[in-house]
Amino acid sequence: GAGVSQSPSNKVTEKGKDVELRCDPISGHTALYWYRQSLGQGLEFLIYFQGNSAPDKSGLPSDRFSAERTGGSVSTLTIQRTQQEDSAVYLCASSLVGDGYEQYFGPGTRLTVT
Amino acid sequence: GENVEQHPSTLSVQEGDSAVIKCTYSDSASNYFPWYKQELGKRPQLIIDIRSNVGEKKDQRIAVTLNKTAKHFSLHITETQPEDSAVYFCAATFYGGSQGNLIFGKGTKLSVKP
Repeated sequence: GAGVSQSPSNKVTEKGKDVELRCDPISGHTALYWYRQSLGQGLEFLIYFQGNSAPDKSGLPSDRFSAERTGGSVSTLTIQRTQQEDSAVYLCASSLVGDGYEQYFGPGTRLTVT
Repeated sequence: GENVEQHPSTLSVQEGDSAVIKCTYSDSASNYFPWYKQELGKRPQLIIDIRSNVGEKKDQRIAVTLNKTAKHFSLHITETQPEDSAVYFCAATFYGGSQGNLIFGKGTKLSVKP
């Protein structure tokens, strides 16, 4: 079946602009995660959704970052007033609660803030 | 919160040799330890995982060992091949009722020389 998809694959934006990143999880996966990967770094947890609720927002780096998930499926990560330090690859992952623990990753969105 | 340390950051081996990557974690409550492989420009993919009720798990040329007392776990790749060249990430989390976010190590860049 289809895997996790993300759009856009690449986004270049000017400092101060807002951006929206989209994640389509695997159908039926109830858990959805956002991670950030900076150049040469590991994956940094941002936010976790169980269904439409976000029980864990502890990783969001500032109040400029927000995320929502509607219908228990698609999620959008919004970054307001982007800064150069926001440049990174944003990865989304999903998993099926109660059926193993594997998190399946999407291809990521490469965000460049100029 | 959980913290995962991963060593070495880079590893170069000759084809056919073994490679070992080690990780330590801080939270004794963590009970799930996956390893992801990320090829250049690609998404992370799960290659093997281990749960805290198991000390060792093997899958062909790949094995993972877990020492709960010492809070460390290791990835072993035998008979390495050039296609094993990639960045490998270890991770840890606690799964209890609902799934949790993964805390990743900073990665090991493995180069296998033909």
